[in-house]
Amino acid sequence: GQNIDQPTEMTATEGAIVQINCTYQTSGFNGLFWYQQHAGEAPTFLSYNVLDGLEEKGRFSSFLSRSKGYSYLLLKELQMKDSASYLCAVSDSNYQLIWGAGTKLIIKP
Amino acid sequence: GAVVSQHPSRVICKSGTSVKIECRSLDFQATTMFWYRQFPKQSLMLMATSNEGSKATYEQGVEKDKFLINHASLTLSTLTVTSAHPEDSSFYICSARDPFSGRGEEQFFGPGTRLTVL
Repeated sequence: GQNIDQPTEMTATEGAIVQINCTYQTSGFNGLFWYQQHAGEAPTFLSYNVLDGLEEKGRFSSFLSRSKGYSYLLLKELQMKDSASYLCAVSDSNYQLIWGAGTKLIIKP
Repeated sequence: GAVVSQHPSRVICKSGTSVKIECRSLDFQATTMFWYRQFPKQSLMLMATSNEGSKATYEQGVEKDKFLINHASLTLSTLTVTSAHPEDSSFYICSARDPFSGRGEEQFFGPGTRLTVL
C-alpha cells in the first residue's frame, strides 16, 4: 500500500529552527510537496522536490532523498505566524497526491 | 500563479436540504479537479476525482448518490451534497490540477467551503 508518515505534533520556540520529517512509500514518484495549512483555511504551497537535494526558499528549505523515501521541511527563524499544520504529499505514478496526516507545529514565545 | 476560486465560502443549511459548491479555475484549464473533505483536527481526505466530460471517480466509502459531482467545463466543477445531515458538516476543499505547472501536475487549492448542517 501507499503511505506517508510524519510526526503528529511538534513544539518549537520563536526564533529557533525546526525540522519536520516525512517518510513515504508510494507507487511511483512524481515529486513531493510540502503545504502549510492554518486552521480553517485551505493548504498553501510551500515547496516541491523531485530531484535529490535541498531546495531553499527564504526561511523555508526542503530536502529530498528518493533512495531513502525521505524528505524534511526546515523552518528557520521561527515566527508565531508559523504555527500551523504542515502537510507532506507525494505525487504518485498517476499524479495523484498521497497525503500525510499533517504535523501540527506549535510555536511558543 | 494559478488561481482557484470556490463558492460559497460558508453555508449553513437545514437537515434534508441540498447544497451546491462550485469550484472554478480562473486562469487555466483543468481537465481534472479534486474534492476533499476535512474534519476538525484531521488531514485532508480525498472524496473524488472529477474529470471534465466524464463521470467522477469516488474514493472508497464515499457515496456517489449523496455527493454528486459535475465537471461540465474545463474551468468548473460542482459538488452537490444531497439530503445533507449534521454528520456532513465539514470543510470541503477543491483543487484543480494544472498539467503545465512544471511541478508534477501540481494541484492548486480553492479557499474551501465550511458547511454546517443544522
